[in-house]
Amino acid sequence: DQQVKQNSPSLSVQEGRISILNCDYTNSMFDYFLWYKKYPAEGPTFLISISSIKDKNEDGRFTVFLNKSAKHLSLHIVPSQPGDSAVYFCAATEFSYGGSQGNLIFGKGTKLSVKP
Amino acid sequence: DAGITQSPRYKITETGRQVTLMCHQTWSHSYMFWYRQDLGHGLRLIYYSAAADITDKGEVPDGYVVSRSKTENFPLTLESATRSQTSVYFCASRGGVSQPQHFGDGTRLSIL
Repeated sequence: DQQVKQNSPSLSVQEGRISILNCDYTNSMFDYFLWYKKYPAEGPTFLISISSIKDKNEDGRFTVFLNKSAKHLSLHIVPSQPGDSAVYFCAATEFSYGGSQGNLIFGKGTKLSVKP
Repeated sequence: DAGITQSPRYKITETGRQVTLMCHQTWSHSYMFWYRQDLGHGLRLIYYSAAADITDKGEVPDGYVVSRSKTENFPLTLESATRSQTSVYFCASRGGVSQPQHFGDGTRLSIL
C-alpha cells in the first residue's frame, strides 16, 4: 500500500509560469518531508524540505506547503524555467518517533516539462 | 573531490551470476542506503546501514546482500542474479538523522 502518492505522472508548464507539484501521504506518523529533483542518468538531488511543525518553507524560487489535516504537500516553482524540467520525487519519514531511523518513503515521481 | 560515487555505471550480466555494485562516499557519513528505481515504483529501499558493521533490511531486500566493513564503502551484492533484478540502483548517504540523503548517479544493471 502506497504511503506516499504523487498522482500526476507528468506536468507541462510554460516558462515563466508557476509549476505546482502535489503529494499526498497516508501515514500520520510522518513528520518530515522532502522534495528531490532528478535529471536523466543522474541521481536524485535534494531540493527542499519541511518539518511538520511548519506549514511553509521557502528557498528562492521553490516553496513547499504542508497541510497536515489533509495529509497533503505541494511544491511551487515560481517562475518556472526550462532547466527545471526533471522528475520530482516527494519523500516522507518519521524522525520524531525513532524506529525508522529517518528512512525515506518515496512517491513515484512527477515528470515536469517546462516549455520555452 | 568529496561526494558519493557508484561503480560501475552500467553493467550487463546473465541470470545466475554474482554481481557486486560498489558505493563509496568521502563525507564520513554514518548512514548509507541502497535503492532500486523501477518504472511505476519510484525509489524503493533495499538495505541501509547506520554505521560500519550495522546493516538492516529495507522494503525489498530479497536476493541482495550488503556489508559495511568501512564507513566509506557500502557494496551491494546480488548473489545469483535474476531478470527481475534488472533496474537502476542508487546509493545514498547522510550524516545526522535530520540531514537529507545525498545520492550517487546510479548503476544501470541489466540481467539477461
